Amino acid sequence: QVQLVQSGAEVKKPGASVTVSCKASGHTFANSAMHWVRQGPGHRLEWMGWINAGNGNTKYSQKFQGRVTITRDTSADTAYMELSSLTSEDTALYYCARGDIVTGGNSFLRFDSWGQGTLVTVSS
Amino acid sequence: DIVMTQSPDSLAVSLGERATINCKSSQSILYPSNNQNYLVWYQQKPGQPPKILIYWASTRESGVPDRFSGSGSGTDFTLTISSLQAEDVAVYYCQQYYSTPVTFGQGTKVEIK
Repeated sequence: QVQLVQSGAEVKKPGASVTVSCKASGHTFANSAMHWVRQGPGHRLEWMGWINAGNGNTKYSQKFQGRVTITRDTSADTAYMELSSLTSEDTALYYCARGDIVTGGNSFLRFDSWGQGTLVTVSS
Repeated sequence: DIVMTQSPDSLAVSLGERATINCKSSQSILYPSNNQNYLVWYQQKPGQPPKILIYWASTRESGVPDRFSGSGSGTDFTLTISSLQAEDVAVYYCQQYYSTPVTFGQGTKVEIK
């Protein structure tokens, strides 16, 4: 059974950076697309980007381009999301979510498993 | 970007009655070469992450009760709960995976009347 376990809540000051981790188990990490989705106070879900856990290729939403970096460590089956230049608008619950690369047909862009979420609060 | 719009924003349904949620995309998400609609429905209960219910607009994920069904094609889609149960109280989201950035509807909150 696929399980994604995220790191704990963070409180950051404006202008700082935050890194959230997502440890995967129960599946072949290299066959995964690891995505990051955030959910703000209004509960809207917002996709930030993804990494191909097999080859490390990334793609980011234009909205976050230049501020977000997604990486992975295949030896630890863990994906990371770093968001820089934080403002109060970045206060949100951040989820990692998994898509399946193997199935094909853009299936890697739908999310069959989600982490428990990491609350990031940006406050001075 | 493809804009996904759900209706209604919330609805209250009696136990055992039907609940219907609509989702409209700003452009077609039907891929002609495989005749598939690139739409997924999620359920999010309070304090939990979203859970996938239906993909390809109408294919139920393994383990999802058959009272949940999806329909529609092109730009207009529907999630139906045929007989609402207490455990179905949640927010439901549609998402297109036709192109990046993937985008979500704003969510529909389902409550018991």
